[in-house]
Amino acid sequence: ETGVTQSPTHLIKTRGQQVTLRCSSQSGHNTVSWYQQALGQGPQFIFQYYREEENGRGNFPPRFSGLQFPNYSSELNVNALELDDSALYLCASSIGMMTGANVLTFGAGSRLTVL
Amino acid sequence: QKEVEQDPGPLSVPEGAIVSLNCTYSNSAFQYFMWYRQYSRKGPELLMYTYSSGNKEDGRFTAQVDKSSKYISLFIRDSQPSDSATYLCAMSSGNTPLVFGKGTRLSVIA
Repeated sequence: ETGVTQSPTHLIKTRGQQVTLRCSSQSGHNTVSWYQQALGQGPQFIFQYYREEENGRGNFPPRFSGLQFPNYSSELNVNALELDDSALYLCASSIGMMTGANVLTFGAGSRLTVL
Repeated sequence: QKEVEQDPGPLSVPEGAIVSLNCTYSNSAFQYFMWYRQYSRKGPELLMYTYSSGNKEDGRFTAQVDKSSKYISLFIRDSQPSDSATYLCAMSSGNTPLVFGKGTRLSVIA
C-alpha cells in the first residue's frame, strides 16, 4: 500500500510567479485535502476535493485553486505569489466526504519559498 | 480567541519521564479529537483518535478529552528520544475540516 506522495519536495519562486504542487493519494482513498503550514504554526485548511469537485474551502483567496483527477490525484495552484505564501504545503488523503470520522493520511509536504 | 490553543513549547524532558501535552478549544461543537505527531521535514502522522469525551490508551500513549472543560490531553509514558517531535492536536465537529493547534515541540533527552 503506497502512502501519499507529493512533488516537488522543495521549490523557490519569486513574488508574482505561479506555482503548481502535485499530490498522489493513498491507494483506496478518493478524497484529497490541502493544508498550508507556516513556520511554527499548525496546518491550516485550504480546500478539499471529492469526486473531482471542491468540497469545502478555508479562508484562502481565489488565487489558491485546485484540481482533482479521475485517479484521485490532485494539484494545488497558487497564482500571483506573495511572500506570505512561503510555507509547507501538505496534501492529505482520506475516504469519503468531510466527516469527523475521516482519518487523514498526510504526505511529507512541498516546501515553498517565495523571495 | 483562537478556536484551538496549544502551547508551542519547546518542552524538554529526560528519557523515561511522563510527558503531558494539552490543548484547549472554544468551539463546543467539536466532537472528534486527534493527536498527530510530526517529525522534522515530515508530514503529520495520526497518533491517537478519540470521539467525544473519555480516555483512550494505546501502548505508552493515553489521550483524554474533557468536553465540559473544553480541554484535551496526551500523555506519553516512559518517553524515549524517538518521541522527540512536534505534537499537533486537531479537532472537528464532524462535517467540518480539521482545526489544528500550533503544535508543541518536544525533545526527549537521553
